[in-house]
Amino acid sequence: GESVGLHLPTLSVQEGDNSIINCAYSNSASDYFIWYKQESGKGPQFIIDIRSNMDKRQGQRVTVLLNKTVKHLSLQIAATQPGDSAVYFCAEKESDSWGKLQFGAGTQVVVTP
Amino acid sequence: NAGVTQTPKFQVLKTGQSMTLQCAQDMNHEYMSWYRQDPGMGLRLIHYSVGAGITDQGEVPNGYNVSRSTTEDFPLRLLSAAPSQTSVYFCASSRQALFSYEQYFGPGTRLTVT
Repeated sequence: GESVGLHLPTLSVQEGDNSIINCAYSNSASDYFIWYKQESGKGPQFIIDIRSNMDKRQGQRVTVLLNKTVKHLSLQIAATQPGDSAVYFCAEKESDSWGKLQFGAGTQVVVTP
Repeated sequence: NAGVTQTPKFQVLKTGQSMTLQCAQDMNHEYMSWYRQDPGMGLRLIHYSVGAGITDQGEVPNGYNVSRSTTEDFPLRLLSAAPSQTSVYFCASSRQALFSYEQYFGPGTRLTVT
């Protein structure tokens, strides 16, 4: 399928290394954050989410960190694998909005052998 | 469960033509939404619905109409296609649950307007 990662920031990571993908969010009123992974030609897939009353949440091989002071979100992927190559999006939700997510532009992750 | 399905997968339209992009979900989700995705940009919300009979505009609603007559279906209508509407369109759904707003996405419809 056609790449959706044209003109996106790119993170090149060696297989087996840890990846850190950063996201700056805009709205201090956001109370929920979520990371999605999008492989070429497919729809976004949920990775992990975090509420604003938390600063860290762990999943399988992934960790999300939230720093509300500087409005920064990061996704850490441990032991990056070729299957992790994709575009990664962060999204935020305003506290007075049910379900409406505001997406960032995305980061292209390329895993090299 | 099929999850979120979208048809067609690809479509080419001429300027001025109209068409409907179909979206259906079998998870009994209350919330459904339509996004468009352009190169180098994230997903932008077109329209959304919090339940049957209720729809509202998102960030980029101009040129698109929606309706929600059933919980399962949420079609997106292009009234008079323009080249600026060339994009990949994604439909998503989510259930209403406290502190969980995960949206499930369909596979997308790639639309080209010439």
